[in-house]
Amino acid sequence: DQQVKQNSPSLSVQEGRISILNCDYTNSMFDYFLWYKKYPAEGPTFLISISSIKDKNEDGRFTVFLNKSAKHLSLHIVPSQPGDSAVYFCAARSRPSYNTDKLIFGTGTRLQVFP
Amino acid sequence: DSGVTQTPKHLITATGQRVTLRCSPRSGDLSVYWYQQSLDQGLQFLIQYYNGEERAKGNILERFSAQQFPDLHSELNLSSLELGDSALYFCASSLRGTSGDTQYFGPGTRLTVL
Repeated sequence: DQQVKQNSPSLSVQEGRISILNCDYTNSMFDYFLWYKKYPAEGPTFLISISSIKDKNEDGRFTVFLNKSAKHLSLHIVPSQPGDSAVYFCAARSRPSYNTDKLIFGTGTRLQVFP
Repeated sequence: DSGVTQTPKHLITATGQRVTLRCSPRSGDLSVYWYQQSLDQGLQFLIQYYNGEERAKGNILERFSAQQFPDLHSELNLSSLELGDSALYFCASSLRGTSGDTQYFGPGTRLTVL
């Protein structure tokens, strides 16, 4: 049962344009969402997050939008740069108890930014 | 460089064998997590330790076990290996292992079972 879904396995965008990566989830009890970026031969790197009490969080070129009613979040990268080419994972936090922080990941979207 | 180290980087073994993957967390981090990434899959949470004690369990098979030692490094033991265990295994660490902590990931160990 895939609780976090990234339905687009890949995305190709021209340098300077906007990249929009999408993520859907099924569990309304998720309270925190994160985006991780992964380069080949490296582990995922934390990029940006959003609490379920917000609908937008911005950090430089990266903005995450959360639509709780649709159980959907998206990551916008503006402007896209070739160095942004990587696999992007959406993750949601599932808290079975207060003192743990288990993450549930989507399958990833491979972003390619071309000149 | 996240500060989390994992050894070995690559491991090739045969079905039925047993292997141990090792993880050293970032300096100061008390919590360690293990994740498995199979082909075309997202990262699947396996298990979390905090200061030597198991804190949360995910979809970890009974053939797999883990522990965190007094020096806070962790080992993931995989036994009676099957072809389907071939995957990338990531370790992550965080300061307290509680909600809101950022998890920092190591580069992973690629396990190939032949």
